[in-house]
Amino acid sequence: QVQLVQSGAEVKKPGASVKVSCKASGFSFTNYYMHWVRQAPGQGLEWMGMINPAGDRTTYAQEFQGRVTMTKDTSTSTLYMELSSLRSDDTAFYYCAREAGGLDYWGQGTLVTVSS
Amino acid sequence: QPGLTQPPSVSKDLRQTATLTCTGNSNNVGNQGAAWLQQHQGHPPKLLSDRNNNRPSGISEKFSASRSGNTASLTITGLQPEDEADYYCSAWDSSLNVWVFGGGTKLTVL
Repeated sequence: QVQLVQSGAEVKKPGASVKVSCKASGFSFTNYYMHWVRQAPGQGLEWMGMINPAGDRTTYAQEFQGRVTMTKDTSTSTLYMELSSLRSDDTAFYYCAREAGGLDYWGQGTLVTVSS
Repeated sequence: QPGLTQPPSVSKDLRQTATLTCTGNSNNVGNQGAAWLQQHQGHPPKLLSDRNNNRPSGISEKFSASRSGNTASLTITGLQPEDEADYYCSAWDSSLNVWVFGGGTKLTVL
């Protein structure tokens, strides 16, 4: 069955970087666009960006341009999202998701807390 | 970030029908369709309907999606306590080349 398993919770200081991983199984990783979405506590969903099936093209939301890097390791079927220059308002759950007509499978979420 | 418009909250009685709306424009909902997600507190979102208004395997027939022009709708029949959740619409914006979400609708079942 399709599974997206994300790395564990992180606590970071302002200005630091965080790298979240998302290991995929149960489907052909190189056939799908993969997305990252975040959700601040008590807030709605915010799209961060996506990476193409081959892993050689990314599209980022304007709000994250210059701060986010999304990569894909096809040998291990693992997706990565690195966010730099962290601020307190980056505290959120970060989700990876597969796209197939919609975002049809989601990881369990990774809580990133930014606090001094 | 550009987004889709959803009413913040809807309340309906048990066993009644709720219709949730999502308004975009001709670059997103109007020509790309909208997908619908359900999210219960403390859980990741779950896809209820894709951009072509198809339900994924395992999703109940009580959830049905449609679109008219730039507005997408999700109809939920026979409301039960477990339908109480946040519902989000989402769409690809072909002009901006970004994925957009609605702000979400909190459905309360009375």
